[in-house]
Amino acid sequence: QVQLVQSGAEVKKPGSSVKVSCKASGGTFSSYTISWVRQAPGQGLEWMGRIIPILGIANYAQKFQGRVTITADKSTSTAYMELSSLRSEDTAVYYCARVARELIDYWGQGTLVTVSS
Amino acid sequence: DIQMTQSPSTLSASVGDRVTITCRASQSISSWLAWYQQKPGKAPKLLIYKASSLESGVPSRFSGSGSGTEFTLTISSLQPDDFATYYCQQYNSYRWTFGQGTKVEIK
Repeated sequence: QVQLVQSGAEVKKPGSSVKVSCKASGGTFSSYTISWVRQAPGQGLEWMGRIIPILGIANYAQKFQGRVTITADKSTSTAYMELSSLRSEDTAVYYCARVARELIDYWGQGTLVTVSS
Repeated sequence: DIQMTQSPSTLSASVGDRVTITCRASQSISSWLAWYQQKPGKAPKLLIYKASSLESGVPSRFSGSGSGTEFTLTISSLQPDDFATYYCQQYNSYRWTFGQGTKVEIK
């Protein structure tokens, strides 16, 4: 059974950074792409970027270019999303998701990141 | 990035109604379109992929159509479990984009 388990909720100050982890189990981590999607309170879904662990290549949405870094550690089957220069508008639930056949087949449980002074 | 525009933003309907949601892409995405259902506090669930293919386990009352820039999601007979928010998502480009969502409410 595939599971993506994310790290716990975070409260951050404006201007700081946050790093969310996503540990995969039950599948071959390197064989899939991991995407990150966020959802602000009461808002829609927003794709942030992805990583292909077997290649170590990451791609990002233009909106987040320069502010987000997505990495993966194949030895621990864990993906990471780091967002810097946080502002209040970054308050959201951040999801990792496994991509198969170009589509999401499994989601993490979500991590709430609250940015507040 | 490709922009995805859904309409309506909110839809009020009754159990048994036929419901249609529209999604438009800012440029052609062929048939590389998916539809997701999301309930409060939960991750989205894949309903339709490649514009019209039904994901395994999804009830047949859900259907999708369209290609190029215009797509629709239809629920043939709305059930109580279907009250939720629906999102389209393009995957023609590796830079995915989602529509803003359509909330289906009880009338």
